[in-house]
Amino acid sequence: EADIYQTPRYLVIGTGKKITLECSQTMGHDKMYWYQQDPGMELHLIHYSYGVNSTEKGDLSSESTVSRIRTEHFPLTLESARPSHTSQYLCASNPTGGTGYTFGSGTRLTVV
Amino acid sequence: AQSVTQLDSQVPVFEEAPVELRCNYSSSVSVYLFWYVQYPNQGLQLLLKYLSGSTLVKGINGFEAEFNKSQTSFHLRKPSVHISDTAEYFCAVTTASSGGSYIPTFGRGTSLIVHP
Repeated sequence: EADIYQTPRYLVIGTGKKITLECSQTMGHDKMYWYQQDPGMELHLIHYSYGVNSTEKGDLSSESTVSRIRTEHFPLTLESARPSHTSQYLCASNPTGGTGYTFGSGTRLTVV
Repeated sequence: AQSVTQLDSQVPVFEEAPVELRCNYSSSVSVYLFWYVQYPNQGLQLLLKYLSGSTLVKGINGFEAEFNKSQTSFHLRKPSVHISDTAEYFCAVTTASSGGSYIPTFGRGTSLIVHP
């Protein structure tokens, strides 16, 4: 049973729309992450957070933003979706000092 | 900075045969190493990790991996695969002295395809 939940699982949306991808975890982990995954490519870190009110950008330039108002919740927002945003988005978490991640099942986004 | 190279993008194998998925890394400092598995339409799941100690690490589902510092490798093995092992496998590395951040660098993945 997943302890980290992502919604929606699949999303098809038109260019220019604003969207929010949801991620919640029930494990009390301080650290949360958003990755972008494309077939045959490395996972790219988009954003991460080490706790409430802490957010940082990752190594992949992105037009997205995140917030961390509650420990368990780490939503990702695209203000204006573009076809280049078509990808799978994975949320992950781990506790402070922890080395391995727990991943959600992902959101597959298609921008048309 | 660290990097990871998964030497095979795809590994086809017959059921009950042994398999090895290869992973090489580069880093100028001590590392932690990981293997994750991703089944279709799911997120990644941690298979095993090497932090320190014995270089042979056993994980879930009968998988094991061996850390070889001199060859900077962390190959994943299973003596007898099942159809259900068909999945994408990702190797990842993070520096041990990262100030506690432990944000890993992932490889591009190896698709293990098990044929009946």
